[in-house]
Amino acid sequence: AQKITQTQPGMFVQEKEAVTLDCTYDTSDPSYGLFWYKQPSSGEMIFLIYQGSYDQQNATEGRYSLNFQKARKSANLVISASQLGDSAMYFCAMRTGGSNYKLTFGKGTLLTVNP
Amino acid sequence: NAGVTQTPKFQVLKTGQSMTLQCAQDMNHEYMSWYRQDPGMGLRLIHYSVGAGITDQGEVPNGYNVSRSTTEDFPLRLLSAAPSQTSVYFCASSYRGRFTEAFFGQGTRLTVV
Repeated sequence: AQKITQTQPGMFVQEKEAVTLDCTYDTSDPSYGLFWYKQPSSGEMIFLIYQGSYDQQNATEGRYSLNFQKARKSANLVISASQLGDSAMYFCAMRTGGSNYKLTFGKGTLLTVNP
Repeated sequence: NAGVTQTPKFQVLKTGQSMTLQCAQDMNHEYMSWYRQDPGMGLRLIHYSVGAGITDQGEVPNGYNVSRSTTEDFPLRLLSAAPSQTSVYFCASSYRGRFTEAFFGQGTRLTVV
């Protein structure tokens, strides 16, 4: 079985500062993908960044980077230079081949960016 | 460039009524799925499909039915609505694989009274 754990129900950050959102995962499949999604108050799910289990380097997409520590089974999202528009719910997710490619989500972290 | 289209966006049902949530994608994705989102619970998988004619249960399938007769469409049927099915429902599609991101519809907010 695969599982995603996000231990931070809520996080606060000052505008222009960096913030790390935690995500740990559990799977026995050696091949998997890790994903982060953003859900603003308007409700849509926005794909942010992806990391494959065989990728040697941490993924980056603009101000988003994924701190991938395979031995610790963690895939933390780092947002640099936070903006007010970053205030949203953030979900970590994983999919493996052994689970027939089901995408499993964590419970999410609500990020609030203060001016 | 429609992507994943869900209808309706809002729906109020009475207990015991049935309805179908529609989902269509135009990206030729093999994989489609339905999730429900409840406060503090994240997104939980209801049913999914890896191709036309193939469906399987997810984490919370009870009270829901699906079929996949075409690659494009993946409707979700509520057989006899219950207040516990009040939730926000998302349809998602992707290519079949562990390294592919899913694309989501806009969501349907369903209230069962």
